[in-house]
Amino acid sequence: NAGVTQTPKFRILKIGQSMTLQCTQDMNHNYMYWYRQDPGMGLKLIYYSVGAGITDKGEVPNGYNVSRSTTEDFPLRLELAAPSQTSVYFCASSYPRQGEWADEQFFGPGTRLTVL
Amino acid sequence: QKEVEQDPGPLSVPEGAIVSLNCTYSNSAFQYFMWYRQYSRKGPELLMYTYSSGNKEDGRFTAQVDKSSKYISLFIRDSQPSDSATYLCAMSETQGGSEKLVFGKGTKLTVNP
Repeated sequence: NAGVTQTPKFRILKIGQSMTLQCTQDMNHNYMYWYRQDPGMGLKLIYYSVGAGITDKGEVPNGYNVSRSTTEDFPLRLELAAPSQTSVYFCASSYPRQGEWADEQFFGPGTRLTVL
Repeated sequence: QKEVEQDPGPLSVPEGAIVSLNCTYSNSAFQYFMWYRQYSRKGPELLMYTYSSGNKEDGRFTAQVDKSSKYISLFIRDSQPSDSATYLCAMSETQGGSEKLVFGKGTKLTVNP
């Protein structure tokens, strides 16, 4: 299994441009997440999905959009990029567990985005 | 007060030292407590988790939860240069999915040979 893959690894955008960050997982996980990680600020949840066709906002959704048409894919769309969106973006996936088992989220390698 | 507080460090120790990493939290409904390890320029990976209170040991790593004090710890014994990474605590009220994980900011650890 490849796990969670993300493309591209790096990208530089100009202010006002748009782009889509791709995320694919091959573990048949129902749950998928998008986070951003700013230096010294931990992980902030942007959007998440509990299954194909179902998405919901996280803590910092403004300026982003998502879709989930398949179990495997969860792309993140940036419209009208702004310098404040300069960050490292991580996609993650997990599956429902029972009892005392914690939710283990499996993370991709990240996309480093700079908006100039 | 933030839900989860974690000292970002950085923390630098000599090889073989015992390392103590800590987080405090304010939400008494948290039941699942996790530690993720993140190597430089990589995604986080789950290191250990604890359900409710108590200790859990896995090799050189011990996770402790004190719910009465709203305080969790990760201890690393006989630390190695390969332990150099950022350690993020995370916690949730239920097993996840629609219940979101709340992460600390992470503590950057360097173990010097």
